[in-house]
Amino acid sequence: DSGVTQTPKHLITATGQRVTLRCSPRSGDLSVYWYQQSLDQGLQFLIQYYNGEERAKGNILERFSAQQFPDLHSELNLSSLELGDSALYFCASSVYSGSSNTQYFGPGTRLTVL
Amino acid sequence: GESVGLHLPTLSVQEGDNSIINCAYSNSASDYFIWYKQESGKGPQFIIDIRSNMDKRQGQRVTVLLNKTVKHLSLQIAATQPGDSAVYFCAETSYDKVIFGPGTSLSVIP
Repeated sequence: DSGVTQTPKHLITATGQRVTLRCSPRSGDLSVYWYQQSLDQGLQFLIQYYNGEERAKGNILERFSAQQFPDLHSELNLSSLELGDSALYFCASSVYSGSSNTQYFGPGTRLTVL
Repeated sequence: GESVGLHLPTLSVQEGDNSIINCAYSNSASDYFIWYKQESGKGPQFIIDIRSNMDKRQGQRVTVLLNKTVKHLSLQIAATQPGDSAVYFCAETSYDKVIFGPGTSLSVIP
């Protein structure tokens, strides 16, 4: 158990809908990272927050957004969902930001778009 | 573009043998490398890391080797056990940007 929690574990929705994925980092960790894992794209970095502020952006679509709240939990919002958005979404956390900071991954949320 | 790639997508080894998983990277500015293990249905789990100013680091039954000359990273697992069966990802980081390789599936034959 990494100490990172994600909810829900599974999510099934329809195209065009909007969903919110939630992540609680390990106690004391200030950084939260979001990743998308699909069969054809592998593990893709989406976005990182550090102490409430956006720190780095990866391959995140404009339909997706995220935020980190004062209590350091984070939410990833996915809107206008398409079939291709079906994937595993992982959250990871680390103490600080930048290189040499080990990221600890949560169990993931499996999103299925029908 | 910059990428991290794996030489072998699948690897089968006999229980008790040593395993070697390889990874090539292209960004010479990357200063930190990590190996993750992902078991079925779970998130990636940190195994071992190495900074760019090192060429070898050892953990419990695992060793990571870094060859910056040829931009190559490898993970060695000693006395491979059935519980080592998983997908292994290498990742390179530069500042806050993390790039994961496509992964290698390790299968341990009892």
